[in-house]
Amino acid sequence: GQQLNQSPQSMFIQEGEDVSMNCTSSSIFNTWLWYKQDPGEGPVLLIALYKAGELTSNGRLTAQFGITRKDSFLNISASIPSDVGIYFCAGHLTGNQFYFGTGTSLTVIP
Amino acid sequence: EPEVTQTPSHQVTQMGQEVILRCVPISNHLYFYWYRQILGQKVEFLVSFYNNEISEKSEIFDDQFSVERPDGSNFTLKIRSTKLEDSAMYFCASHRARGGTAEAFFGQGTRLTVV
Repeated sequence: GQQLNQSPQSMFIQEGEDVSMNCTSSSIFNTWLWYKQDPGEGPVLLIALYKAGELTSNGRLTAQFGITRKDSFLNISASIPSDVGIYFCAGHLTGNQFYFGTGTSLTVIP
Repeated sequence: EPEVTQTPSHQVTQMGQEVILRCVPISNHLYFYWYRQILGQKVEFLVSFYNNEISEKSEIFDDQFSVERPDGSNFTLKIRSTKLEDSAMYFCASHRARGGTAEAFFGQGTRLTVV
């Protein structure tokens, strides 16, 4: 199956700091999505990206679809304690499954 | 806001027993998925379902697994004879249309514990 590697694997940051994480794939995708998962909960969709080079924001979150279609990044500005959780990227090709990344665990220290 | 709902939220079963996990996808969605997540690990694809048949499945989805859409709303995952290693969170997801927006929405999950 397709491998999506996320980095970093985990982050410990102070409240108010900006966060950046990325996701790389060995194959191209038509769509990149970013999800957040809280403990014991299902992944919640944060941002969806549909075109190479696209930059999309959702509040303090900004994500970009890489030009090569093999990568994406997610930035969180001015982090707050409720940003804590695991962030997953997912790639999708039309008609196929959603391939999930390995996850980035974010801890925000108040 | 429409959402994917899963029942039960937690199921404990004895090894070798059959379990059925239930999902109600978002009503106008056409593609349905089951994923699982072993504690602390990544989300793994099991199976996708479209037009009343399996469209893709992973190597995890062996003969012990089956899926069904018995009516217009439910989507079920059956594990015929559970093993200890089937213990995981099972997530159902749905997605609207091929060629349309590819936003998959996930349910809250069913935590399956096999003892």
